[in-house]
Amino acid sequence: AQSVTQLGSHVSVSEGALVLLRCNYSSSVPPYLFWYVQYPNQGLQLLLKYTSAATLVKGINGFEAEFKKSETSFHLTKPSAHMSDAAEYFCAVIGGGSYIPTFGRGTSLIVHP
Amino acid sequence: DAGVIQSPRHEVTEMGQEVTLRCKPISGHNSLFWYRQTMMRGLELLIYFNNNVPIDDSGMPEDRFSAKMPNASFSTLKIQPSEPRDSAVYFCASSRTGGETEAFFGQGTRLTVV
Repeated sequence: AQSVTQLGSHVSVSEGALVLLRCNYSSSVPPYLFWYVQYPNQGLQLLLKYTSAATLVKGINGFEAEFKKSETSFHLTKPSAHMSDAAEYFCAVIGGGSYIPTFGRGTSLIVHP
Repeated sequence: DAGVIQSPRHEVTEMGQEVTLRCKPISGHNSLFWYRQTMMRGLELLIYFNNNVPIDDSGMPEDRFSAKMPNASFSTLKIQPSEPRDSAVYFCASSRTGGETEAFFGQGTRLTVV
């Protein structure tokens, strides 16, 4: 069975600072990995996904994530945070022969002026 | 495409009443998921349909919960009788079957049972 661990339920950064949201997964090879964003009172929207092509994946709104098999990680980064990035971020994995996405607990990103 | 459509967006009901949540998946998608989101437990999968057939319902809390998918364009999640602990946001999501394809989420139904 696959699982996802997101370290840190809350991450606080200043506007313009680097954003780093951590995600570690447990899954059979090959895993498919996803990052979603959820704004208040909305559903989840896809930011980016890894599907065994390039290990560095670029997504919307300037976010990117790097798949590191040796570390079983798929951390999400953005060079410069914007106030509009404040939201809940979820990492998800599909693998192990199942087509069901398994989600982490989410990380709330707080951006200070 | 309009995306995944859920109704109602908000539902307030009294304990013991029947509640029905509705979902219209994206046309052409053959996988459908119902998730429940709470502060305590995060996002939990309730049930997964593939080609209108329930494949995994191990996340359905108890017999009070039931889900149906009579055709490729409609699904319902029913709670009967409802209890205050069922208060949560319920999401429907759909995708094309395949590990590399992402799930598209609806806006959710916020259920409050008083």
